[in-house]
Amino acid sequence: SAVISQKPSRDICQRGTSLTIQCQVDSQVTMMFWYRQQPGQSLTLIATANQGSEATYESGFVIDKFPISRPNLTFSTLTVSNMSPEDSSIYLCSVVPSGTAYEQYFGPGTRLTVT
Amino acid sequence: TQLLEQSPQFLSIQEGENLTVYCNSSSVFSSLQWYRQEPGEGPVLLVTVVTGGEVKKLKRLTFQFGDARKDSSLHITAAQPGDTGLYLCAGDGSGNTGKLIFGQGTTLQVKP
Repeated sequence: SAVISQKPSRDICQRGTSLTIQCQVDSQVTMMFWYRQQPGQSLTLIATANQGSEATYESGFVIDKFPISRPNLTFSTLTVSNMSPEDSSIYLCSVVPSGTAYEQYFGPGTRLTVT
Repeated sequence: TQLLEQSPQFLSIQEGENLTVYCNSSSVFSSLQWYRQEPGEGPVLLVTVVTGGEVKKLKRLTFQFGDARKDSSLHITAAQPGDTGLYLCAGDGSGNTGKLIFGQGTTLQVKP
């Protein structure tokens, strides 16, 4: 498995501002992902964070709104830009540890409220 | 578009009862994972099933992957209040890229 931490754990932000969420893993991982969980709902994949190259976004998500960085194999950031109340969600990073093919582990999440 | 239909969405039972949660799709998945999530926390991986027909047991929890790898079930025997939480199935349908498609989730409440 992998130990994953996220910062901040929660935040309340004003509309129009941006927030950067950090994801740190205790070991090198093959794949890292960012998901969104809207209130009372399940998880939706935002993008795959690619090490050393641009992230791969899923349908409905764009780089201008959710820029992602992954400078190395243990760290990634997700920025939620120009926030609106509709962006209020839990944002989670997940990883597939090196040496495993299918097991995916999630961070504790960042609870974002936009007012 | 691949979808995972999870049912039931809500389940409230008494301690000691048995229950089954279903996860169905018309698409084939290379693997399927079950998670449990508690309020304020991220999903915790319970099990991964990969082979069609596979059955895995985790104490009182039994997981089954359908022969055609399109469906899965989670059966809990003698539920305990500690089993309360949100149960999520998630499938990797894109050739083991790690991109998971989640079911809607089942909120389980086990009353003492």
